[in-house]
Amino acid sequence: DMKVTQMPRYLIKRMGENVLLECGQDMSHETMYWYRQDPGLGLQLIYISYDVDSNSEGDIPKGYRVSRKKREHFSLILDSAKTNQTSVYFCASSFGGRAETLYFGSGTRLTVL
Amino acid sequence: GDSVTQTEGPVTVSESESLIINCTYSATSIAYPNLFWYVRYPGEGLQLLLKVITAGQKGSSRGFEATYNKETTSFHLQKASVQESDSAVYYCALGNTEGADRLTFGKGTQLIIQP
Repeated sequence: DMKVTQMPRYLIKRMGENVLLECGQDMSHETMYWYRQDPGLGLQLIYISYDVDSNSEGDIPKGYRVSRKKREHFSLILDSAKTNQTSVYFCASSFGGRAETLYFGSGTRLTVL
Repeated sequence: GDSVTQTEGPVTVSESESLIINCTYSATSIAYPNLFWYVRYPGEGLQLLLKVITAGQKGSSRGFEATYNKETTSFHLQKASVQESDSAVYYCALGNTEGADRLTFGKGTQLIIQP
């Protein structure tokens, strides 16, 4: 079954707290992504991971870091969350490094109070 | 940088009527990018609807079609007769073929089908 799973689906945190968003895929895809989407904006790329411990900044990496210790898992970490990080976060994966078909998770709606 | 502009939603269409969602792009990093339409159904992640990687070609899937027009830098999504199950958010996107590995997405267009 080709699936990207994100946990949790909804999360409420207070400003200054640490946040961990988790993503898993069962397709052995090398490349994984974290995007965020805010109202009125397109999906914005936060980070790309090309494989275990091979990560690259996207367009809006500030305030985020990532971890990929296993090919099937990719985590997004917010150290000391800010209210402007309230957003919907999407994880995705794809074959190789070329952005062909991306497979997305259902998203995590994060609210930072 | 690259950018994608699409019809602002929500777009409301009656069942069995025709649909067009406009998409135009600006690709500064490459002349002929790959073009995609993704769809997000309620409660689900985005999924690929169709893609076209050659200018002048048409892609189709699930009754939807889109033609890659390099003259007008457009990739409009059309369907002749929509169904209630087509209610979703549709995203136009472009991809850089020169070894880059990221897509540039439009804002998404929410489509509401009235029964």
